[in-house]
Amino acid sequence: AQSVTQLDSQVPVFEEAPVELRCNYSSSVSVYLFWYVQYPNQGLQLLLKYLSGSTLVKGINGFEAEFNKSQTSFHLRKPSVHISDTAEYFCAVLTNAGKSTFGDGTTLTVKP
Amino acid sequence: EAGVAQSPRYKIIEKRQSVAFWCNPISGHATLYWYQQILGQGPKLLIQFQNNGVVDDSQLPKDRFSAERLKGVDSTLKIQPAKLEDSAVYLCASSSPSLRGKTEAFFGQGTRLTVV
Repeated sequence: AQSVTQLDSQVPVFEEAPVELRCNYSSSVSVYLFWYVQYPNQGLQLLLKYLSGSTLVKGINGFEAEFNKSQTSFHLRKPSVHISDTAEYFCAVLTNAGKSTFGDGTTLTVKP
Repeated sequence: EAGVAQSPRYKIIEKRQSVAFWCNPISGHATLYWYQQILGQGPKLLIQFQNNGVVDDSQLPKDRFSAERLKGVDSTLKIQPAKLEDSAVYLCASSSPSLRGKTEAFFGQGTRLTVV
């Protein structure tokens, strides 16, 4: 079985500040890792994914994440946030068998 | 490329009534998912189809929930009878069959169900 823990339920930051949203996972099998963003009243949109290869993954909107196998983490970062980044962010894992598990989300609020 | 289409966007029903949601996945996507997202939580997988066959329905409350995917394209999710705790957003997603297990899911906008 897999589980995903997003360590912060809410992260308030000021515009142009850096941000890190933390995600730890647990799994008995190899998994692929994803970050999704959800704007109000919208579905989820993929930000980035780690399938294999380089542990530093770059995604859309200036976000990046680093896969750390020893710490079973996949933290999301952005060096300078904008007001428009205010949204809910979800970390997810996917097994080779196609089973997906999502975290409970982190609400990022960017203040002017 | 058209995205995942869901309808209706919003639905309000009384407890013990029945309700159905519809999903049209991205053309050519063999894998279709239904998720339940309760307020303040992440999406929870209810059922996963590969073409018109069920791959995983271990978390589907089968006494009241049912889903079908006739002809391996559109899908409907039904709740009968609804309970107050079924109030949630129901998300449909699809993914490409050629990279099964290694590709992201594409999500629809969801149906927000309120049971009163």
